[in-house]
Amino acid sequence: SQQGEEDPQALSIQEGENATMNCSYKTSINNLQWYRQNSGRGLVHLILIRSNEREKHSGRLRVTLDTSKKSSSLLITASRAADTASYFCATVPSNAGKSTFGDGTTLTVKP
Amino acid sequence: EAGVAQSPRYKIIEKRQSVAFWCNPISGHATLYWYQQILGQGPKLLIQFQNNGVVDDSQLPKDRFSAERLKGVDSTLKIQPAKLEDSAVYLCASSFIRGINTEAFFGQGTRLTVV
Repeated sequence: SQQGEEDPQALSIQEGENATMNCSYKTSINNLQWYRQNSGRGLVHLILIRSNEREKHSGRLRVTLDTSKKSSSLLITASRAADTASYFCATVPSNAGKSTFGDGTTLTVKP
Repeated sequence: EAGVAQSPRYKIIEKRQSVAFWCNPISGHATLYWYQQILGQGPKLLIQFQNNGVVDDSQLPKDRFSAERLKGVDSTLKIQPAKLEDSAVYLCASSFIRGINTEAFFGQGTRLTVV
């Protein structure tokens, strides 16, 4: 089964609002990565957070990691219509095995 | 820098036919991945190469799927014979080194429809 699971499956918000999506995983990880996928396109890497980090920022993105709860969240502030996409988390296990993607959260930002 | 190139972008074939996809990774990237992404799901790793050697092919259906990266640069993924359930987007990705703290760069994918 997939290591990472995103929640919610779908999210619809108005432009300017914040969007929060979550990722839960089962086994210990070395790091966790978030990717964005626009419709019909490949994935684009957004941010990587290591297991010893708790929070990371990149522009309007804020990622948190709680290893005790085995979960991560991605916050997009002041969302724009161009943020409409699917967002995936990928976990890299501690034993340096292959990374595993969840099934993603589909975000729709309405103008 | 140029991104990961994949071709074709779309392919429609009948079941039991064969098909091949091509990927040219970013120059200098030693690690190359092939993923299968079924509609509504996340990418599933089929095979990972480090230069021209296979690192992981545990989820590759070897009775019908094959992949090669002969010169450690570009790669081909073949399906023979195709089944209806092979309908998916096939994504190629590459990364500079095989490391656990490296990001992967993805191509736009090949959308395969098996009818």
